[in-house]
Amino acid sequence: DTAVSQTPKYLVTQMGNDKSIKCEQNLGHDTMYWYKQDSKKFLKIMFSYNNKELIINETVPNRFSPKSPDKAHLNLHINSLELGDSAVYFCASSRSSQFLWIQETQYFGPGTRLLVL
Amino acid sequence: GIQVEQSPPDLILQEGANSTLRCNFSDSVNNLQWFHQNPWGQLINLFYIPSGTKQNGRLSATTVATERYSLLYISSSQTTDSGVYFCAVDDDGSSNTGKLIFGQGTTLQVKP
Repeated sequence: DTAVSQTPKYLVTQMGNDKSIKCEQNLGHDTMYWYKQDSKKFLKIMFSYNNKELIINETVPNRFSPKSPDKAHLNLHINSLELGDSAVYFCASSRSSQFLWIQETQYFGPGTRLLVL
Repeated sequence: GIQVEQSPPDLILQEGANSTLRCNFSDSVNNLQWFHQNPWGQLINLFYIPSGTKQNGRLSATTVATERYSLLYISSSQTTDSGVYFCAVDDDGSSNTGKLIFGQGTTLQVKP
């Protein structure tokens, strides 16, 4: 009964390849996020979708393209992978407050460990 | 943008000891969360606490929004408490978009 799940858990690939990471949440949340954690454990938000609409788009190379087919899914596609893309990518989700534009507690997936060789 | 600073960066405790972790932030916030990243990398939300005090078992947290800091208390620490503790706040103090800015974390090691 995993609340936020990601596939794959590990991804080892060569420079220049294209890869996708998938995320699904079964919490009934309406907002989903992608975060990147670097080798020094620093966590930085990349994207956020609310009800399939992109609401946060940080300064991320356009090789990264998120896609949300529905409220429960948020995928991340990465083109032309570079060595610097090696990191752990976390998906998260949260619920908007019923009455105000407030995002509540964020729940994180297990992470996808990407290694670019 | 808002700045988040956590202290101490590293902490080593003997099992059973108590500890206090601090998070300072540079602007007013509507969203502050504490997370624990265990040694296997899983990020677990501990508290959603933009203000006030909350308790959950051996853990409690207090946020004094007017003075721009939050404290996480761990009592009677156990080896399973080891890992990295992150404080995160919303980037926009006047709204709450969910765009969390994370501090650099406090790495806690609890020795048996």
